[in-house]
Amino acid sequence: RKEVEQDPGPFNVPEGATVAFNCTYSNSASQSFFWYRQDCRKEPKLLMSVYSSGNEDGRFTAQLNRASQYISLLIRDSKLSDSATYLCVVNRGTGYQKVTFGIGTKLQVIP
Amino acid sequence: ETGVTQSPTHLIKTRGQQVTLRCSSQSGHNTVSWYQQALGQGPQFIFQYYREEENGRGNFPPRFSGLQFPNYSSELNVNALELDDSALYLCASSLSLAGTYEQYFGPGTRLTVT
Repeated sequence: RKEVEQDPGPFNVPEGATVAFNCTYSNSASQSFFWYRQDCRKEPKLLMSVYSSGNEDGRFTAQLNRASQYISLLIRDSKLSDSATYLCVVNRGTGYQKVTFGIGTKLQVIP
Repeated sequence: ETGVTQSPTHLIKTRGQQVTLRCSSQSGHNTVSWYQQALGQGPQFIFQYYREEENGRGNFPPRFSGLQFPNYSSELNVNALELDDSALYLCASSLSLAGTYEQYFGPGTRLTVT
């Protein structure tokens, strides 16, 4: 089983739709969790950290479920500019970083 | 605030050659991590440097090595290049404080091995 698993997609959604991605992780000792956004042929950019209590940033909501070992990202009112690959990142480091990226989920928002 | 920079942007090498990639970390950050991203894959962790010492390593052979300098900039060296080493190499910097491991990436170096 992969350490971090994501559905690669693509998810094709109309503008204005709500879309959700899940990401599962296998190591229950994982410490911190992130979502990154990566545009084609560009570097990943930090979208948001994922906290145990869940967190929201505008149209984006991230949740963590430690019992089931998954994190989720919800995007409301999708914009064309949201089209990108969304990378789930899990850090199981304690004292040092041991970071594992998922393969990424490709989102295409259609006019 | 200065972001993460990498050089060169693109590089073409021949199998068996050696390459050095460079990274300047974001101002105030003391930790640098290197990743390899093959086409259609997520970034794979190579290793991390904290205060000039290797602080963690992924599943990469010893021909992948690195350095971190007192100003926290870093180099990635790859010896005996193989065709499979063709990828985007990303450097990420962070400030390692307990509980916070947010990383900020440079634009990457695209390496092609022929």
